[in-house]
Amino acid sequence: DGGITQSPKYLFRKEGQNVTLSCEQNLNHDAMYWYRQDPGQGLRLIYYSQIVNDFQKGDIAEGYSVSREKKESFPLTVTSAQKNPTAFYLCASSKSMDVWGISPLHFGNGTRLTVT
Amino acid sequence: ILNVEQSPQSLHVQEGDSTNFTCSFPSSNFYALHWYRWETAKSPEALFVMTLNGDEKKKGRISATLNTKEGYSYLYIKGSQPEDSATYLCAFYNAGNMLTFGGGTRLMVKP
Repeated sequence: DGGITQSPKYLFRKEGQNVTLSCEQNLNHDAMYWYRQDPGQGLRLIYYSQIVNDFQKGDIAEGYSVSREKKESFPLTVTSAQKNPTAFYLCASSKSMDVWGISPLHFGNGTRLTVT
Repeated sequence: ILNVEQSPQSLHVQEGDSTNFTCSFPSSNFYALHWYRWETAKSPEALFVMTLNGDEKKKGRISATLNTKEGYSYLYIKGSQPEDSATYLCAFYNAGNMLTFGGGTRLMVKP
């Protein structure tokens, strides 16, 4: 079955350490996204990528970095510069990033990151 | 930053009750409105993508309407079942922007 796989489900890190969250899709989608969820808030966009070797900052990119070397993979690194890294992180993909916004997103199951 | 509001934040209903909740969004430069269902321990799943004013979409007991002129969409669930318990997210897309999500409505259906 096609889908998006995020790993690990839970991640614990010490403050000051960088950590990389994995996201892999086998849907042959061009566009991929990283969202963050905090309690009581809507999903907020961190980074997105329309195509391999291209990515753009979302609304809250500070303290994060991404790469898109392969179509299937869009890993997110949470750096020590991110002030409040503890959150739930969701990866998503869509067939394309159409101008009209009609391509629905397909989501992974998420990674809960706790930094102490 | 675009403001997408969902109300209520949470809702408890009895099995068999019909229910509805609201997504409010800016009415200018509207392109699309998405609804997603997010069950606990699962990933969010797309329910509807709506683009036209007056549009109505239906999937089983769930339906949605769209009013782009006044900036709102309603999601209706007829005869709620325990398996409908989930958080329902709406997301708004306008020209030059990415999808902006509301905070969600958490629905709990008691058997």
